[in-house]
Amino acid sequence: GAGVSQSPRYKVAKRGQDVALRCDPISGHVSLFWYQQALGQGPEFLTYFQNEAQLDKSGLPSDRFFAERPEGSVSTLKIQRTQQEDSAVYLCASSPRDVTDTQYFGPGTRLTVL
Amino acid sequence: QQQVKQSPQSLIVQKGGIPIINCAYENTAFDYFPWYQQFPGKGPALLIAIRPDVSEKKEGRFTISFNKSAKQFSLHIMDSQPGDSATYFCAAAGGSEKLVFGKGTKLTVNP
Repeated sequence: GAGVSQSPRYKVAKRGQDVALRCDPISGHVSLFWYQQALGQGPEFLTYFQNEAQLDKSGLPSDRFFAERPEGSVSTLKIQRTQQEDSAVYLCASSPRDVTDTQYFGPGTRLTVL
Repeated sequence: QQQVKQSPQSLIVQKGGIPIINCAYENTAFDYFPWYQQFPGKGPALLIAIRPDVSEKKEGRFTISFNKSAKQFSLHIMDSQPGDSATYFCAAAGGSEKLVFGKGTKLTVNP
C-alpha cells in the first residue's frame, strides 16, 4: 500500500527565497506531523494537525514557517525568506489517531539554502 | 533541555553480536516509548514500542527493556546482521507531550 509521500525530495533555494514542501499522508490518517532533522541529529517536532486543525505549532522556529492542511489530507509546509540555518531534512509523518499512535514517516525533503 | 538522552552516539559490533542502546528521560508524563530505525536517505521507521505497564517487550530479534523507576529504557538487537547497520532513535511521548527523539545511535555491524 502507499505510504507517506513527500515532494520535492530535494530543494535548493537561494537565501531569501520562499519554499513550499508537500506531504501526502496515508489515506484515512487523522494526524499529520512535521519534523525538522538536522544532519546527525534526531527529528525535532515542528507542528501537528488533527484533520484540518493545527493543534500544536510550538516547534515552528520562527514566524517565517507556516503549515496548513486545509482539507484534512495533504499538508504544505511553507518557509518564507529562507535562511542558511533552515537547511535540513523536513520529515512528514502521519498516524491513524494521535501522538501516541504509530507514526509513519515519509522519506523527507532535503532543503539546502545557499 | 534535551528530554530524551541517548547513548552511545555510535556503536560497532561483529555479526552475531548483541548491540545495546540506552535512553533516559525525565518527564514522568511520558507513557509511550518507541524505537525507530533510519537508513540513509530514508525516513525513520518504527521498530518496536513499549508502554510503562510492562518491563520488557520482544519482537523478533529486537527487545526493549524498560525500567520505570530509573526512567530508562534500552534496545537490544539479538544476533545482529550487517543489514541492521543503520541509525537508531529512541523517542518518548505522553500526556500532552508530542513525540521527542533522542539524538540517535549509528550502528555498524561488521560481517
